[in-house]
Amino acid sequence: GENVEQHPSTLSVQEGDSAVIKCTYSDSASNYFPWYKQELGKRPQLIIDIRSNVGEKKDQRIAVTLNKTAKHFSLHITETQPEDSAVYFCAAILYGQNFVFGPGTRLSVLP
Amino acid sequence: GAVVSQHPSRVICKSGTSVKIECRSLDFQATTMFWYRQFPKQSLMLMATSNEGSKATYEQGVEKDKFLINHASLTLSTLTVTSAHPEDSSFYICSALTSLEETQYFGPGTRLLVL
Repeated sequence: GENVEQHPSTLSVQEGDSAVIKCTYSDSASNYFPWYKQELGKRPQLIIDIRSNVGEKKDQRIAVTLNKTAKHFSLHITETQPEDSAVYFCAAILYGQNFVFGPGTRLSVLP
Repeated sequence: GAVVSQHPSRVICKSGTSVKIECRSLDFQATTMFWYRQFPKQSLMLMATSNEGSKATYEQGVEKDKFLINHASLTLSTLTVTSAHPEDSSFYICSALTSLEETQYFGPGTRLLVL
């Protein structure tokens, strides 16, 4: 089955700097890769997603890149703000199958 | 995005009692709902997949007789923790999958504390 790894487990950046979180997956058949943001005690919220037929997707300060050959995808947050502080989860899915989540990255944006 | 509600948000119960958690999709029909458990500072752990009108599929290591799941309609799934024990204390989150999209929409979660 699918296995998703995520790095780093914790990340601290200065406000205004960029943050990058990387995930690798094992099943080359996976074709959908969402990213979720979870603030303390709250539900995970979808922030961006990418499908396997696309190499990059951007939404304001957030972007996701996908390298199907290497089987990894990354979340990029530019101009970080304190409210970006949260735990971020990546996931890899083959349509119709269960989501497999990464272990999460705790991002702290320091003012 | 779609809205998923979960009730109750927090419950404290005595050891040995049963607790029912409801998960509802408010503005869409969810053919599939998922139940997750999340321990502090850890990722989401899938417990079971619930399909409307059929038996839930449990992940390895999850006791189906302890965690009863009922997906009675396209908008409601329930998780009942039977004979709860302190080790069942956790954050339980449901999610719903629409028939048209691949994205899961999460409920707000239920924090269970078993004394």
